[in-house]
Amino acid sequence: SQKIEQNSEALNIQEGKTATLTCNYTNYSPAYLQWYRQDPGRGPVFLLLIRENEKEKRKERLKVTFDTTLKQSLFHITASQPADSATYLCALWDYGQNFVFGPGTRLSVLP
Amino acid sequence: DGGITQSPKYLFRKEGQNVTLSCEQNLNHDAMYWYRQDPGQGLRLIYYSQIVNDFQKGDIAEGYSVSREKKESFPLTVTSAQKNPTAFYLCASSPQGAGNQPQHFGDGTRLSIL
Repeated sequence: SQKIEQNSEALNIQEGKTATLTCNYTNYSPAYLQWYRQDPGRGPVFLLLIRENEKEKRKERLKVTFDTTLKQSLFHITASQPADSATYLCALWDYGQNFVFGPGTRLSVLP
Repeated sequence: DGGITQSPKYLFRKEGQNVTLSCEQNLNHDAMYWYRQDPGQGLRLIYYSQIVNDFQKGDIAEGYSVSREKKESFPLTVTSAQKNPTAFYLCASSPQGAGNQPQHFGDGTRLSIL
């Protein structure tokens, strides 16, 4: 069956460290993978998109990698700040399908 | 500022009642979506529309209905046939619904049963 998973429901890290969030998928062949940030009671906000033929994408303190062999995307936030605390969602888009979202990882950056 | 507006923010439904959630966008996007979010689960697609006067069922369409009479508007009706409607409902849009386009979300409507 098709499945998309994010490594843990919650992740706590110390301010200034790098946060690494994982998105794994099974029985999909995504052409695109996106990452979103969601704050409590709000809608998700788009952060980054990576294509199947790209290995890495960066935007300021954010970095996304995409390994189609491992069927995995990693999302990194360097020099993390308490303001980065939120739930982060991965979403993949497969040909002939719509976006499929993972359950999210709730990140807490502790001062 | 362009964006998506969902209303109301909170909604309560009585047993046997239909309720309608509003979604309006001024981004000039062709594609619009409705998702349901439950704790610990990913967003699940209810309905989507890629053009005016056309819409398709998503993964969990039973008990819901939509219309797309105008480009800017994509209301969702939660009917009495939906037995477990308590959830956070999110509306989204994108330019043409392609995978390389980000989705823009509203701030959701939280529906509860009285």
